[in-house]
Amino acid sequence: DQQVKQNSPSLSVQEGRISILNCDYTNSMFDYFLWYKKYPAEGPTFLISISSIKDKNEDGRFTVFLNKSAKHLSLHIVPSQPGDSAVYFCAASASRGGSQGNLIFGKGTKLSVKP
Amino acid sequence: DAGVIQSPRHEVTEMGQEVTLRCKPISGHDYLFWYRQTMMRGLELLIYFNNNVPIDDSGMPEDRFSAKMPNASFSTLKIQPSEPRDSAVYFCASKLGWPDINTEAFFGQGTRLTVV
Repeated sequence: DQQVKQNSPSLSVQEGRISILNCDYTNSMFDYFLWYKKYPAEGPTFLISISSIKDKNEDGRFTVFLNKSAKHLSLHIVPSQPGDSAVYFCAASASRGGSQGNLIFGKGTKLSVKP
Repeated sequence: DAGVIQSPRHEVTEMGQEVTLRCKPISGHDYLFWYRQTMMRGLELLIYFNNNVPIDDSGMPEDRFSAKMPNASFSTLKIQPSEPRDSAVYFCASKLGWPDINTEAFFGQGTRLTVV
């Protein structure tokens, strides 16, 4: 049973427009959420994170929004660039409980930014 | 630091053979994770360690899979015997869990395993 869900396998956007990637989670113990970016033949690289005490975190073109009541988070990329084309993984972690410190990933969303 | 180092980068083996994947985490990191990436399951957590102790191995698919962390700078993931359905990319990651447990993990470049 997936605890972190990314329901869109792929997303295509035009260069300069906004990209919105979505993620849902089921485990209420999760209190830290991350986004990773992955290029082919490379390991995932950390992009941005958010703690459950916040509802927004911004870093340059990247903003992550967290809606705890809906158990939903999203990553906004504005403006999108061709170099952003990659697979984006949502991840979640719990700081308490039997599996504290874990890092659970969704299946990923492949973003294609067209020039 | 050179980052998380995995070896080999590619492994092709015959069904039934034993396969050992290796990982050197970033020095000083106290958490180590093993993941398997497939099209169907995405990035699947197999097992993770804290201070060399396995914390959760519920993601290990079968008894054919085993993982060890004999010291803070080395971990192995072994598959014996290997099967074609084990073909995937296996990633190792590490993170520093103190003073704040909520931190990002750093990934190695992965080992692409093909079992024929």
